[in-house]
Amino acid sequence: RKEVEQDPGPFNVPEGATVAFNCTYSNSASQSFFWYRQDCRKEPKLLMSVYSSGNEDGRFTAQLNRASQYISLLIRDSKLSDSATYLCVVNERDGNKLVFGAGTILRVKS
Amino acid sequence: NAGVTQTPKFRVLKTGQSMTLLCAQDMNHEYMYWYRQDPGMGLRLIHYSVGEGTTAKGEVPDGYNVSRLKKQNFLLGLESAAPSQTSVYFCASSYRPWETQYFGPGTRLLVL
Repeated sequence: RKEVEQDPGPFNVPEGATVAFNCTYSNSASQSFFWYRQDCRKEPKLLMSVYSSGNEDGRFTAQLNRASQYISLLIRDSKLSDSATYLCVVNERDGNKLVFGAGTILRVKS
Repeated sequence: NAGVTQTPKFRVLKTGQSMTLLCAQDMNHEYMYWYRQDPGMGLRLIHYSVGEGTTAKGEVPDGYNVSRLKKQNFLLGLESAAPSQTSVYFCASSYRPWETQYFGPGTRLLVL
């Protein structure tokens, strides 16, 4: 089983749609969780950290479910500019490393 | 404030050749990392450094060496390139270990 698993997609959605991605992780001792965004042929950039209580940043909402070991990202009112690959990242403190998922591709179409 | 920069942006090598990838950061971060990204896989950690003069192996260190002689620079070396090292290489830095990382623009390496 991969340490961090994501549905690779692609998710093809129209502008204005709401879309959600899930990510599962295998290490129950994982401490910190992040969503990064990576545009085509560019570097990953932090989108948001994921807190236990859930957190929201504008149109983006992140949730953590420790019991089921998954995190989610919800994007409301999708924009063309949201088209990118979204990387789920987990901090495994006991292994001193960040584990990156392979990413979920989102394509927003007009 | 340039953040994290990498040189070169693109390079083609022949099998057996050597090269050094350069990474520089101007954020005064202690922690620096080298990753490779291959299609269908998450970023994989090659080597990392927790401070000037220190380096450690990551998940896929074989065939690579690193040096951190200055706090702002982290060098990745390939002594004898192999086709399996064809990849996109990203350098990153962070203020705290294994927390938010800031990435450079990447180096695309093709080994023939």
